[in-house]
Amino acid sequence: GAGVSQTPSNKVTEKGKYVELRCDPISGHTALYWYRQSLGQGPEFLIYFQGTGAADDSGLPNDRFFAVRPEGSVSTLKIQRTERGDSAVYLCASSSDRAVTGELFFGEGSRLTVL
Amino acid sequence: AQKITQTQPGMFVQEKEAVTLDCTYDTSDQSYGLFWYKQPSSGEMIFLIYQGSYDEQNATEGRYSLNFQKARKSANLVISASQLGDSAMYFCAMTQAGFQKLVFGTGTRLLVSP
Repeated sequence: GAGVSQTPSNKVTEKGKYVELRCDPISGHTALYWYRQSLGQGPEFLIYFQGTGAADDSGLPNDRFFAVRPEGSVSTLKIQRTERGDSAVYLCASSSDRAVTGELFFGEGSRLTVL
Repeated sequence: AQKITQTQPGMFVQEKEAVTLDCTYDTSDQSYGLFWYKQPSSGEMIFLIYQGSYDEQNATEGRYSLNFQKARKSANLVISASQLGDSAMYFCAMTQAGFQKLVFGTGTRLLVSP
């Protein structure tokens, strides 16, 4: 498709389980971002990739969270030993190097519910 | 650290009227960017408008305009001729760390009535 694609759109898991969330950015976009949006809040930055490398992972809350982008396109956000506080919508965005304003194109998000 | 404040949790407007959504920001950076995004119920964040801190003119994109008052650190969004499809959450955001990431406010829910 033409936009940013995220799967799954909804994920319900139990406390302590492992979860993977996938993001397929717009073709040709070299920058990829993960944000987390809790209920009633704006998105919060988690991690930013430029190509295959994580250029800034300062927003990852702890070492249970990890993200990869091995071939510079699709990215996977991995959450180990999930906790109820991890419940949120995880948004992925991508942008082009040539975007003067740094405009981000977002996907529709993956809603994670940890029971 | 950068901070965005949106003081209006909800706003109501009638179709075809104009509405202003407030946004104030705090930063010590000299160069920064300000954004407005729309988030409909589908959850996708849709880019609306951008204002650079050194831009002398207020940004406009169709029915959207950004009322940028640098001294007051405000970046209000004005939507002219509201449409029913404008009903959504609206987020103000600003750049952080050299334009590589955005800091968002808590959003304003806009409801447009017929």
